[in-house]
Amino acid sequence: QSALTQPPSASGSPGQSVTISCTGTSNDVGGYNYVSWYQQHPGKGPKLMIYDVNKRPSGVPDRFSGSKSGNTASLTVSGLQADDEADYYCSSYAGSNNYVFGTGTKVTVL
Amino acid sequence: QVQLQESGPGLVQPSQTLSLTCTVSGDSISNSAYNWGWIRQHPAKGLEWIGNIYYIGSTHYNPSLKSRLSISVDTSKNQFSLKLSSVTAADTAVYYCARVGRVVVNFDYWGQGTLVTVSS
Repeated sequence: QSALTQPPSASGSPGQSVTISCTGTSNDVGGYNYVSWYQQHPGKGPKLMIYDVNKRPSGVPDRFSGSKSGNTASLTVSGLQADDEADYYCSSYAGSNNYVFGTGTKVTVL
Repeated sequence: QVQLQESGPGLVQPSQTLSLTCTVSGDSISNSAYNWGWIRQHPAKGLEWIGNIYYIGSTHYNPSLKSRLSISVDTSKNQFSLKLSSVTAADTAVYYCARVGRVVVNFDYWGQGTLVTVSS
């Protein structure tokens, strides 16, 4: 199983929006509505931000939203704040109790 | 609040076996709604799923690591463990343990991670 493809970097000014893509195949992203997104600050463990494509865990601001079309999922961060600057990873269920992560995207708040 | 904490040697010699333990607090490792998983992150790289275990001992491994990998669970200690044999420098990474939903499919709680370096 190959890693899901994400752009290496994305950026936006405070208050703006940034969208990160996550491209897989019909065997993972396209085949299941089990895409999740994780935020990772330097030196910290990942934090779940979105699951089941577009659901937010309790405590995650509604500025974070997810979507999917075909084999590509997307995470949008609206109203960018300084603390949103982090690495973001997507993940998908890949069948037969296997999971695959994305290559990661560094979000910079300009 | 669910918390996970990885523990184990930070330095492993090439060809030896890497062994880590994850101690869970705030939830029972026998909770039927969850698997318990290991994920690693090579230096300045992305995340790689290693494998999961269910409390009854059933396991699922990343095919690329399966031949060297063993994950076990100790319900009496609320811990699960990872053993990766015949390690090389390519296994140098930060290793994370996490709680993995079985119905709501996600990695919802993570440990802080532990760096394991493979070097002589």
